Amino acid sequence: GEEVAQTPKHLVRGEGQKAKLYCAPIKGHSYVFWYQQVLKNEFKFLISFQNENVFDETGMPKERFSAKCLPNSPCSLEIQATKLEDSAVYFCASSQGYNEQFFGPGTRLTVL
Amino acid sequence: AQSVTQLDSHVSVSEGTPVLLRCNYSSSYSPSLFWYVQHPNKGLQLLLKYTSAATLVKGINGFEAEFKKSETSFHLTKPSAHMSDAAEYFCVVSERAGGFKTIFGAGTRLFVKA
Repeated sequence: GEEVAQTPKHLVRGEGQKAKLYCAPIKGHSYVFWYQQVLKNEFKFLISFQNENVFDETGMPKERFSAKCLPNSPCSLEIQATKLEDSAVYFCASSQGYNEQFFGPGTRLTVL
Repeated sequence: AQSVTQLDSHVSVSEGTPVLLRCNYSSSYSPSLFWYVQHPNKGLQLLLKYTSAATLVKGINGFEAEFKKSETSFHLTKPSAHMSDAAEYFCVVSERAGGFKTIFGAGTRLFVKA
């Protein structure tokens, strides 16, 4: 597609439940990025992929967060055992090489 | 080390007056620099980018920015603010350093008064 698509738009989970977010990058883009935007509007980098390979995962809280980008499937970001502080908007972006990133509309995760 | 500092958390201007949103960066390599805009409850939209070509970059909606290496700055300007410009603006730096590092500034909220 011509736009980055993210689903669902909103996700509500009880503390301790699992949350799974999806992202379909723009066709032909080889890089995918995940960011977390919390209430102060600060963007925190989580992880990036080059095709299906993890490119940079220095931002991932690895004990509960995992992500995949498999061929012919949307990329996914999964949070096991969600915590209150995971409440945020999660943005996916894609890019063609070392160029500007195109952002999806985000998934708002609310952990109760 | 790579970092981005947006010098103002809030800027307020009157409609029709100039806009200046300030951004300073540090980078060990030749960076690419971007300005994105985020309207409430929306995703990020690219306004403009600098990738080592012309230092004065023109973007969408009348915005432009000048890359000044000596001052390590990439300030965003617009000659005349419009009510629809009210939004959050992010300065972003990317560099090819041990991969592909991208750092966001903290954002500047622009208010436009009628």
